[in-house]
Amino acid sequence: GDSVTQMEGPVTLSEEAFLTINCTYTATGYPSLFWYVQYPGEGLQLLLKATKADDKGSNKGFEATYRKETTSFHLEKGSVQVSDSAVYFCALTVYGQNFVFGPGTRLSVLP
Amino acid sequence: DAGITQSPRYKITETGRQVTLMCHQTWSHSYMFWYRQDLGHGLRLIYYSAAADITDKGEVPDGYVVSRSKTENFPLTLESATRSQTSVYFCASGPGTSGGGTQYFGPGTRLLVL
Repeated sequence: GDSVTQMEGPVTLSEEAFLTINCTYTATGYPSLFWYVQYPGEGLQLLLKATKADDKGSNKGFEATYRKETTSFHLEKGSVQVSDSAVYFCALTVYGQNFVFGPGTRLSVLP
Repeated sequence: DAGITQSPRYKITETGRQVTLMCHQTWSHSYMFWYRQDLGHGLRLIYYSAAADITDKGEVPDGYVVSRSKTENFPLTLESATRSQTSVYFCASGPGTSGGGTQYFGPGTRLLVL
């Protein structure tokens, strides 16, 4: 079946460090890909998305590119802040068929 | 208030009792979802609904029942609660492919089954 694999962490970085969280997927259809973020005690909220190959999603300094050839959607940010500390979920959606989330990656950014 | 709400936010119950978790959205989104979040498993889909009166099983439907008589409501019922159903439950809604597939999540319900 469809699945999402991502590094579970925790990932601990110093402020202004470069962030990469890897995400790879398997899907039988043509999925849309998402990164969601969850702050403590809250529900998930969309960070960015891409709906077709080679699309780049971006938001709040975060970026991810839909790579069909490597079935990947890695999340990157050039300079993290303490306020970026959260859990990040990679997800895929094939509407009418499947909705799959990865296990989440906990990020801690130290001042 | 516009958005998606869940009630109750916290619930303690006993094994064997029936529990209903409520979810309400004000956007008239066609799709609604129920997930559970457990350490080590991330989010797992329990049930989803593409429209009123249409529901489908997700990855972990056993022990749960859903209904969707109105577009805005999607209650989740645990017919006979078990300890393994202790979890955080998230409801979500979304417009489907017309909205790029984004899901909008509620704040969650923390359920403890004793």
